[in-house]
This record gives sequence, C-alpha cells and structure tokens, in this order.
Amino acid sequence: AQSVTQPDIHITVSEGASLELRCNYSYGATPYLFWYVQSPGQGLQLLLKYFSGDTLVQGIKGFEAEFKRSQSSFNLRKPSVHWSDAAEYFCAVGARREYGNKLVFGAGTILRVKS
Amino acid sequence: GAGVSQSPRYKVAKRGQDVALRCDPISGHVSLFWYQQALGQGPEFLTYFQNEAQLDKSGLPSDRFFAERPEGSVSTLKIQRTQQEDSAVYLCAITISGTSGSAKGNEQFFGPGTRLTVL
Repeated sequence: AQSVTQPDIHITVSEGASLELRCNYSYGATPYLFWYVQSPGQGLQLLLKYFSGDTLVQGIKGFEAEFKRSQSSFNLRKPSVHWSDAAEYFCAVGARREYGNKLVFGAGTILRVKS
Repeated sequence: GAGVSQSPRYKVAKRGQDVALRCDPISGHVSLFWYQQALGQGPEFLTYFQNEAQLDKSGLPSDRFFAERPEGSVSTLKIQRTQQEDSAVYLCAITISGTSGSAKGNEQFFGPGTRLTVL
C-alpha cells in the first residue's frame, strides 16, 4: 500500500530565505507524485506534479521539486520565500493506474514565514 | 478550486442528525473523488465515481456514509446519524475531462470543501 511521510509538522523561515519541505513515500513502483498547498479555509491547489521524465519538475509560484528514486523522496523547494507562501503543504502519491487513481496524502507541513 | 463548487461551505449538525453534502463540478468531468480531512491531517480517500458508477468505496469509514452521483455530474455525500468523529472537512475532487487513461487524467482538482462540525 502507498504511504507518505512528511517529517516536519511545522517549519518557520524568514522571508527571502530558501525553503525545502521533505516528502518520503512508500510504493512498490514509481508512483505519480504531487504537491498541493492549502491556505486557511481553502481547498487544495496543485503546485506541481511528477509523472515521468525529468526528475526536476517546475511548478507554479516559483516552486520546484525533485524526484529521487533511490531515496523515495520528492522534496519541495523554493529559492526565496514570500510572506504569501505561508500555508500548509501536502505531498501526495498516486498509483500508476488508468483511472480511479486515488491519492494518498501526507499529514502536511505548516509553513510560517517571518518578516 | 478549478471547476468544482461545494455546498454548504459550513455545516453544524447535532449528533444523530443526517447531513447531505453536495459537490457540483463543471460539466464534463468524468472522474469524481471524495476525501475526508480531519483537523491537522491530510485528506483521506473516501470514494470514487467514474460518471455515475461508484467504482471504489473502500474508504468510506462506516455504513453511515453513502455517496451517489445519479446523473454523472453532481454528487452528494450523505452521512446518517452523525457522530462527533465525523467532524472534518469533506473535499470533492475531479479530474480533467477527456484525459482518462493518460497521466494528466491523474491530476485532481479540488473544491473548497465543506467543514462539518458535529456537536
């Protein structure tokens, strides 16, 4: 069965500093991988996804993530954080199926940005 | 979320009441998912529809939970005899129409959710 671990419950960074949010997954093969962001009272917004090909994927809002098969990781990065990035971030994995691909989410990492 | 509305946005129910939560996707979205997000947790899968067919309901926590999508568009998640542990945000998600079977068909777009509080 798939599972996702986000080791950091909370992370605080200064505005303008770099950011890395960790995600490790468990799955028997190469999964589909996603990062979502959730602001308070909002639904989930897709930041980026990995399906195949280049292991470094670019997303919206200046985020990127790197798939490392050997480490079963898909860490999210941003070179310079903005105050508006404060939110909760979820990593998710999905099986490589034709349809009905339910997502398994991690518990989330709350990002705080200090000025 | 892109192409998905949910209502009500907030629902307060007394323990034992029945509730119905609605998901209204923009027409043409074949696949529809329901997730439950408890406080401080990530979303957890409840059930999945392809058109009107409910193909996976393995995540429904008990027989008090029931979902339907009779015409392959609007979906309703019903919870009977609500309990305090049902308090959560219920999220609906859809995949892009016409892409089933492709990688892109696995991108899920979420609605804003319904926050259910059971007293």
